[in-house]
Amino acid sequence: EAQVTQNPRYLITVTGKKLTVTCSQNMNHEYMSWYRQDPGLGLRQIYYSMNVEVTDKGDVPEGYKVSRKEKRNFPLILESPSPNQTSLYFCASSSPGPYEQYFGPGTRLTVT
Amino acid sequence: GENVEQHPSTLSVQEGDSAVIKCTYSDSASNYFPWYKQELGKGPQLIIDIRSNVGEKKDQRIAVTLNKTAKHFSLHITETQPEDSAVYFCAASPLGTGFQKLVFGTGTRLLVSP
Repeated sequence: EAQVTQNPRYLITVTGKKLTVTCSQNMNHEYMSWYRQDPGLGLRQIYYSMNVEVTDKGDVPEGYKVSRKEKRNFPLILESPSPNQTSLYFCASSSPGPYEQYFGPGTRLTVT
Repeated sequence: GENVEQHPSTLSVQEGDSAVIKCTYSDSASNYFPWYKQELGKGPQLIIDIRSNVGEKKDQRIAVTLNKTAKHFSLHITETQPEDSAVYFCAASPLGTGFQKLVFGTGTRLLVSP
């Protein structure tokens, strides 16, 4: 089944404890993105990647890191999480041509 | 940078009625405008998109119109059904980002009552 998978789906952590949210797609898509979703603010793009080793900032990159070492994986790294990073995070992938972004199921992160 | 405003934030209609959601964008160079539908507990899903060289696009009960002069685009859903109930997001993609940088509106919660 063609899909974008994220792990973990739920995570509660404490301020300052480094964490990684993994994202993997099995559709051989060139492009991948990370978003956060907050009530009243909609979806905001954190980073996007148009190819292996190529990443660009979205609108809210502060406090996040990404890497694209393999085509299928695009992990999101929070080096020192803070409570304002409590949010619902989505990974997405797409390919040239249709450009439709396929979203994963989301990761709900709580930072206390 | 690009900024997208979306209205209304909530919209209630009766089954069979039409629904219209409107978005405005600030960057006149933006060239791609998708609409996503998000059902409860799921990730967003593309329902229709339009590029800046097209004024209107239709797919069955769904249509999108684009007015580049006014920097305004709208989603039209006709003959609404209860399964259309969801949150809808518009987005704009700035020129030169390969349609991959997306700036979303804040969403419209559509409720279709039987």
